[in-house]
Amino acid sequence: EIVLTQSPATLSLSPGERATLSCRASQSVSSSLAWYQEKPGQPPRLLIYDASNRATGIPARFSGSGSGTDFTLTISSLEPEDFAVYYCQQRSNWPLTFGGGTKVEIK
Amino acid sequence: EVQLLESGGGLVQPGGSLRLSCVASGFTFNIYAMSWVRQAPGKGLEWVSVISGSGGGTYYADSVKGRFTISRDNSKTTIYLQMNSLRAEDTAIYHCAKIFRFAPVDTYYFDYWGQGTLVTVSS
Repeated sequence: EIVLTQSPATLSLSPGERATLSCRASQSVSSSLAWYQEKPGQPPRLLIYDASNRATGIPARFSGSGSGTDFTLTISSLEPEDFAVYYCQQRSNWPLTFGGGTKVEIK
Repeated sequence: EVQLLESGGGLVQPGGSLRLSCVASGFTFNIYAMSWVRQAPGKGLEWVSVISGSGGGTYYADSVKGRFTISRDNSKTTIYLQMNSLRAEDTAIYHCAKIFRFAPVDTYYFDYWGQGTLVTVSS
């Protein structure tokens, strides 16, 4: 099973700041990685697929990069609605696995 | 508009069974693979199972293999999760999720999610 390790567990930032979230895989997943945003009381929303492709309707301030074992989700300038929990997920190997999540909170 | 509506959750004793349903609308159901993903209270996301659009292919997480069965009825645009031999560690919100399809391949990412149904396994 591919283990995804997200860091940091919590990121405390102010609106307008840049957020950089990391996801590291226990073995290469090529570019087969997605990012999701989850807010309280709502189901997760797909942000990025195949490491760097924004899903439909996702603002340009969200970007993804990386390949192999190291991936980054960047939010260029945090909006109030971006404070949430973010998960990465790989589809390279069965079983599909998620990272443990990074909470982006207001500083 | 894509909508996914889960039902069937509830309180069940350890060793018991439960059947979850997810009714889908707003897309051509029989083309898309569908999945169940769960989230234990206060915890992260855990993939449970996936079924192909035709229903002919299924995959399971090791934690549920042999106990859970995923199925679908394309005439009713519904997927199911039959859960047997339930354990306390199966307690979670169970989300139905649509698999993102990218011309013409199933990506095994999840582009739409339902709100979920809560399953509590406790005596």
